[in-house]
Amino acid sequence: GAGVSQSPSNKVTEKGKDVELRCDPISGHTALYWYRQRLGQGLEFLIYFQGNSAPDKSGLPSDRFSAERTGESVSTLTIQRTQQEDSAVYLCASSWVGEGTEAFFGQGTRLTVV
Amino acid sequence: EDQVTQSPEALRLQEGESSSLNCSYTVSGLRGLFWYRQDPGKGPEFLFTLYSAGEEKEKERLKATLTKKESFLHITAPKPEDSATYLCAVQGGSNYQLIWGAGTKLIIKP
Repeated sequence: GAGVSQSPSNKVTEKGKDVELRCDPISGHTALYWYRQRLGQGLEFLIYFQGNSAPDKSGLPSDRFSAERTGESVSTLTIQRTQQEDSAVYLCASSWVGEGTEAFFGQGTRLTVV
Repeated sequence: EDQVTQSPEALRLQEGESSSLNCSYTVSGLRGLFWYRQDPGKGPEFLFTLYSAGEEKEKERLKATLTKKESFLHITAPKPEDSATYLCAVQGGSNYQLIWGAGTKLIIKP
C-alpha cells in the first residue's frame, strides 16, 4: 500500500484478555518500529525490527508483550492478559535501513482496556 | 547515553506571532535529525531531515536549522492550522534506531 496501515484502528477489550495488533509497513521498508503513546504523552519505544529479527526488544514493558514479524512485511504486537495500564495508542512506523532515513507512521491502534 | 530534550513543553502564540521550538540532543555520531508534526488522534507526520551542522530546510511557514548540539524549528507568521505537537528525533550510534524527544505542543490562537 501507499502508507503504513494498522489494524484495528480501535480496540476495546476486557481486562485479562489477549489482544493482537497488526502493522502493514510500506512495501520494501526493512525497518519497523512499535511505539506506545499514552494520552498527552510522548512516544515510548517498544521494539525495533530489522528485517525479521528484533535487535532491540528493550522497550517491551513486561513479558506480557511480544512481537513478531514475518517475511519482512507484516508485524503483530501481542499483549497477553491485558491490564488497564495497557490502554494507549500503539503506533507502528517503517523505514528503509540506512543513514538519515525517515520513518513513516501509521494512524495507530487505540487500545482501551476496561 | 543518547538523549533528546525538547523545549518548551507547550507554547501558545497569537496568529502571526513568530517563534522557535528547540530540540537539544546528545548522540554519538549523528546520522540524521528529524522533525515531525502530530495532530491529535493521528500518527506523526514527517516534516524534515537534517544531516549536518549548518543545514537548513524550509516548508511553508516552517524552517528547521541544525547545529552540533541542537536544532530549531522556526515558525513564521503562524496560522491556527499550525497548531499541533512537534516532535524531534535523532538517529545515531551503531544502529539506526530513533531517539525521540517528548515534543512541544504548539497552540496558535486566532
